Amino acid sequence: DVKVTQSSRYLVKRTGEKVFLECVQDMDHENMFWYRQDPGLGLRLIYFSYDVKMKEKGDIPEGYSVSREKKERFSLILESASTNQTSMYLCATHAHSSHNEQFFGPGTRLTVL
Amino acid sequence: GENVEQHPSTLSVQEGDSAVIKCTYSDSASNYFPWYKQELGKRPQLIIDIRSNVGEKKDQRIAVTLNKTAKHFSLHITETQPEDSAVYFCGPQGGSNYQLIWGAGTKLIIKP
Repeated sequence: DVKVTQSSRYLVKRTGEKVFLECVQDMDHENMFWYRQDPGLGLRLIYFSYDVKMKEKGDIPEGYSVSREKKERFSLILESASTNQTSMYLCATHAHSSHNEQFFGPGTRLTVL
Repeated sequence: GENVEQHPSTLSVQEGDSAVIKCTYSDSASNYFPWYKQELGKRPQLIIDIRSNVGEKKDQRIAVTLNKTAKHFSLHITETQPEDSAVYFCGPQGGSNYQLIWGAGTKLIIKP
């Protein structure tokens, strides 16, 4: 079974703080994704990575950055958190060799006050 | 890029009846068409998928049908049960091999 974990289920931060969200997978998947999920807007792609130290912008990268120093870990960074970044953040992984199924982490609900 | 529309946004059906959710996409190169289910408070999980060389696929009470000419695919759930209540997302594969382009989701409510 693929196991995808995220560092926190719930997080409360203040405006202007630097926030780190971490995602770890144990299945040696090459591709990793960060999404944010808001009611009525579905899953919107922030960034993805298809290899260590590689990253690509998704549809809504503004205000975010990412880091992939090791294959199993993909970090999402909010350099200066703002209230409009209050959301559910979901990490997902995908293996090159598989069909296209993505495996999701449990999500982090971030509230920025 | 790929444009995906999912309808309806909310669907309420009587327990035991059938439910159909439709996903329309724009990229004629798409060749992989999955449906994900997200129960309240849980992560999205794949429930069924289809590739472009197949018109229909069934797995017990759920099925997916694909119309490549019209660029849409649908999720069919028969004999609905309370545990089918969830948000369902379609996610056809976009331009790259890695990305799925997600619909906005359909909230399915099963009335007892």
